[in-house]
Amino acid sequence: GAGVSQSPSNKVTEKGKDVELRCDPISGHTALYWYRQSLGQGLEFLIYFQGNSAPDKSGLPSDRFSAERTGGSVSTLTIQRTQQEDSAVYLCASSLLLGPGDEKLFFGSGTQLSVL
Amino acid sequence: GDSVTQMEGPVTLSEEAFLTINCTYTATGYPSLFWYVQYPGEGLQLLLKATKADDKGSNKGFEATYRKETTSFHLEKGSVQVSDSAVYFCALRGNNRLAFGKGNQVVVIP
Repeated sequence: GAGVSQSPSNKVTEKGKDVELRCDPISGHTALYWYRQSLGQGLEFLIYFQGNSAPDKSGLPSDRFSAERTGGSVSTLTIQRTQQEDSAVYLCASSLLLGPGDEKLFFGSGTQLSVL
Repeated sequence: GDSVTQMEGPVTLSEEAFLTINCTYTATGYPSLFWYVQYPGEGLQLLLKATKADDKGSNKGFEATYRKETTSFHLEKGSVQVSDSAVYFCALRGNNRLAFGKGNQVVVIP
């Protein structure tokens, strides 16, 4: 497809279970981001992948969160032993660098995660 | 660290009214600044940007000017339409990320 694709669009899970969220970025985009959008909290940065460089994991809220990006394309965000406070919309974006400090992010529609 | 602050609370206004959404930033140096918009049921998309001081970004009748003296990037539109109802996010390009504000819900009433 032409845009960033995320799956599933909705995920309901029980507290303590593990979940995997998937992101297919736009072909050719070397940068990929994960953000979390909670009600009234805006967008919280989680992790950033750029090409073959080591990812910037500084936004991951705990060691229950991890992400990988295979072959420089598809990315998976994994949340282990989910907690109710993990409930949020998880957004993936890939980007086109337009110049130094100038970047355009293309966002997916997100995965709505609900932890019961 | 680098951050942006948006005015609190939703904004409700009538069609053809003037819209302003305030955004101020804290950063080292002069980062690029952006406004992203999220229409109902859609993903975030870039609305406009400014990459250096005094630049004015514009798109779809919206404008924002990069003011380094006041560290601001306020979004304005002279005459809003119902179709402008959305959530608007201010953002800056920091180190390895876009840092976003909390967003403002804008509701335009016919």
